Amino acid sequence: DIVMTQSPDSLAVSLGERATIYCKSSQSVLNSSKNKNHLAWYQQKPGQPPKLLIYWASTRESGVPDRFRGSGSGTDFTLTISSLQAEDVAVYYCQQYYSTLPYTFGQGTKLEIK
Amino acid sequence: EVQLVESGGGLVRPGGSLRLSCAASGFTVSNNYMTWVRQAPGKGLEWVSVIYSGGSTYYADSVKGRFTISRDISKNTLYLQMNSLRAEDTAVYHCARAGSGYLSYFDYWGQGTLVTVSS
Repeated sequence: DIVMTQSPDSLAVSLGERATIYCKSSQSVLNSSKNKNHLAWYQQKPGQPPKLLIYWASTRESGVPDRFRGSGSGTDFTLTISSLQAEDVAVYYCQQYYSTLPYTFGQGTKLEIK
Repeated sequence: EVQLVESGGGLVRPGGSLRLSCAASGFTVSNNYMTWVRQAPGKGLEWVSVIYSGGSTYYADSVKGRFTISRDISKNTLYLQMNSLRAEDTAVYHCARAGSGYLSYFDYWGQGTLVTVSS
């Protein structure tokens, strides 16, 4: 199984400041033939289901504010929130959907306001 | 508008069974890859099972042989039959749609239904 490891486990950032969350996979999730990374990011607020933010490592889902940016390739990925808003307080998960099941998620990063 | 609504959760004793349902609207379940993901209380996300549009099914090792995913075309509904339940199966179970078919992220999620396995 591909193991996804996020860092940090929790993060406190001031409003308006940048928040950066890292995700590392135990093997590459880059599909070389399509030149696409099979990596997604989700946001989960308390009492709500996960919400898709980013897929193919850097494609923003429709309706997601452009302050959310995904980057990285191969085994190392980053989710950046350029200017933290109060409504961004949540737990963030990365997920790989590369060539073999099972799909796996990172353990989650809890983002709070400093 | 795409919607997924789960039901069927509840309290069950170890060794018991439950069937979860996920009623879909705004799209056709049988034309999509559909999955179940669970979340134990206060924990992270764990993929459980997937059914492909062609009908193939796959399971996490932790539930293989005990859980069965299926769908009803006429009701546009996804199911998860859970047998031989264990305490470690306690979780909120979400159904979700795969956004791009095979090997995909999940673009729509249901609110979830809570399954509690306890004596």
